[in-house]
Amino acid sequence: EIVMTQSPGTLALSPGERATLSCRASQSVSSSYLAWYQQKPGQAPRLLIYGTSSRATGIPDRFSGSGSGTDFTLTISRLEPEDFAVYYCQQYGTSPSWTFGQGTKVEIK
Amino acid sequence: EVQLLESGGGLVQPGGSLRISCAASGFSFSTYAMNWVRQAPGKGLEWVSTVSGGGGTTHYADSVKGRFTISRDNSKNTLYLQMNSLRAEDTAVYYCAKGGATIYYFDYWGQGTLVTVSS
Repeated sequence: EIVMTQSPGTLALSPGERATLSCRASQSVSSSYLAWYQQKPGQAPRLLIYGTSSRATGIPDRFSGSGSGTDFTLTISRLEPEDFAVYYCQQYGTSPSWTFGQGTKVEIK
Repeated sequence: EVQLLESGGGLVQPGGSLRISCAASGFSFSTYAMNWVRQAPGKGLEWVSTVSGGGGTTHYADSVKGRFTISRDNSKNTLYLQMNSLRAEDTAVYYCAKGGATIYYFDYWGQGTLVTVSS
């Protein structure tokens, strides 16, 4: 089973700053199989990015995804107040199975 | 507008059973795989189970295999999760999630239903 490890666990930034979130897989992952979600307290997760770099419907272009192989990145170019949340990466694996990272919390500095 | 509304959560004793449901609207339900994902209190997301659009193919996480059964009624646009032999570690919010254009990701999620396993 592929293990997804996100770093850092917590990222403290100010509005307007750039956020860079990392997701590392224990084995190579197809770029088609990597997605990112945002979750705010008390809310369901929301799909941000699929296929490593494709934005989901209605997602602002300040969110971007990149990476390949075992290393993937979610970048928020300029943090808005509503972007402070927990972010999860997720990969699809053969079996099939779906595995999430443990999450990165982006909090206000 | 895609809507997913879970129901049926509650308090159940260890070893007990519970069935939760997810009513879907706003899309062609039978076209898409559907999924259950859970989140224990204060923890991250864990995929639980997936069913194909027609209902003929199912997949389970090892942690629930043999105890949980996913199913769907396409005539009622409803997804189900039958949970048997429940354990304390099954306590979580259970989310219904719609499969995307491919099965690789989940593009819409319900608000979740809380299942608490405790004596």
